[in-house]
Amino acid sequence: GQQLNQSPQSMFIQEGEDVSMNCTSSSIFNTWLWYKQDPGEGPVLLIALYKAGELTSNGRLTAQFGITRKDSFLNISASIPSDVGIYFCAGLWGGGADGLTFGKGTHLIIQP
Amino acid sequence: ETGVTQTPRHLVMGMTNKKSLKCEQHLGHNAMYWYKQSAKKPLELMFVYSLEERVENNSVPSRFSPECPNSSHLFLHLHTLQPEDSALYLCASSQEVSRGYTFGSGTRLTVV
Repeated sequence: GQQLNQSPQSMFIQEGEDVSMNCTSSSIFNTWLWYKQDPGEGPVLLIALYKAGELTSNGRLTAQFGITRKDSFLNISASIPSDVGIYFCAGLWGGGADGLTFGKGTHLIIQP
Repeated sequence: ETGVTQTPRHLVMGMTNKKSLKCEQHLGHNAMYWYKQSAKKPLELMFVYSLEERVENNSVPSRFSPECPNSSHLFLHLHTLQPEDSALYLCASSQEVSRGYTFGSGTRLTVV
């Protein structure tokens, strides 16, 4: 099956710092999605990307669909304590019969 | 409230027990999913139901048995589990895969 390499695995940052994480694949994806999972909860969709080169924002979050269609990144500006959690990328390949492929997640920890 | 409700939130069971996990969605979605989430691993797709028919089982051990009686409800029946089956079990639903999944809050399962 398809695999997504998500990095970094974890990040320890100070409140107010900007954050950047990315996902790469050896295969082309048609759709990239970014999710956030709070402790003890299920993942929640943050941003969806459908076109190569597309740049989409959701508040302090910005995500981009890579030109090669094999990567995507998520940036968080001016981090705040509630940004703590695990961020997952997910990709949709081909006709979608196999559903979404998920990365292993980036664990974001913010030190006050 | 995400629109996908999972019960129970926490479950501790012995290896000889039989229990069931329940998932309910009232979003009008036509596909439902069971995922297993273990530490430091990607989300593992276990089962997919589309229009109440199973379309994927991903070589899941037979000690996990899904049931989808209608488009709003999904169950995961558990019997003779192993300690390595301890994980967070997430249910999700979707109408169109490219729009992403809506996840429930999960059931934290501990097998003792």
